[in-house]
Amino acid sequence: QKEVEQNSGPLSVPEGAIASLNCTYSDRVSQSFFWYRQYSGKSPELIMSIYSNGDKEDGRFTAQLNKASQYVSLLIRDSQPSDSATYLCASPSGGYQKVTFGTGTKLQVIP
Amino acid sequence: DTGVSQDPRHKITKRGQNVTFRCDPISEHNRLYWYRQTLGQGPEFLTYFQNEAQLEKSRLLSDRFSAERPKGSFSTLEIQRTEQGDSAMYLCASSLGGVDTEAFFGQGTRLTVV
Repeated sequence: QKEVEQNSGPLSVPEGAIASLNCTYSDRVSQSFFWYRQYSGKSPELIMSIYSNGDKEDGRFTAQLNKASQYVSLLIRDSQPSDSATYLCASPSGGYQKVTFGTGTKLQVIP
Repeated sequence: DTGVSQDPRHKITKRGQNVTFRCDPISEHNRLYWYRQTLGQGPEFLTYFQNEAQLEKSRLLSDRFSAERPKGSFSTLEIQRTEQGDSAMYLCASSLGGVDTEAFFGQGTRLTVV
């Protein structure tokens, strides 16, 4: 079982809709979770961090963490074509708590 | 520019040659990571330093790969006897100490082995 798992997509949503991206993790010790956005040919860019159960909002982005169910999600409200990218979920795991990434979910926002 | 810096941005090499990449982390960051990423995949962990100590190295990493961070500042990643399968984007990231701190990435080095 991979430490961090994501549906590879692509996930297609119309402009203005809510995009919902999900991630599950296997390491119950994990305390922090990160969402990165990666445009094609570019390096990942951190967009959200979440450490506690519940929701964390930042502009159009909301991260949700449920430690009991071991999943974390990212909601993007009022999706824009510029949001089209691959979204990576990451968390420290293992003995030395190295940051481990999922394979990413490709999001396509259709104008 | 105080972000993570990687050099070179692109490298084309012939199979069998050795290559070396450099990463300069954000100055106060003591953790430094190397990842490899191929098309359609997430970043794959290669190795990780806490200051100058190499704490973990991926079991998938062959002996042709070696990394150093001699003074706990910049790091180098060397690939010896390159193979076509080594073609990928090599990403460096750094973070502050503590397990809950975010990692920030450099722009990456794209390696093409011909």
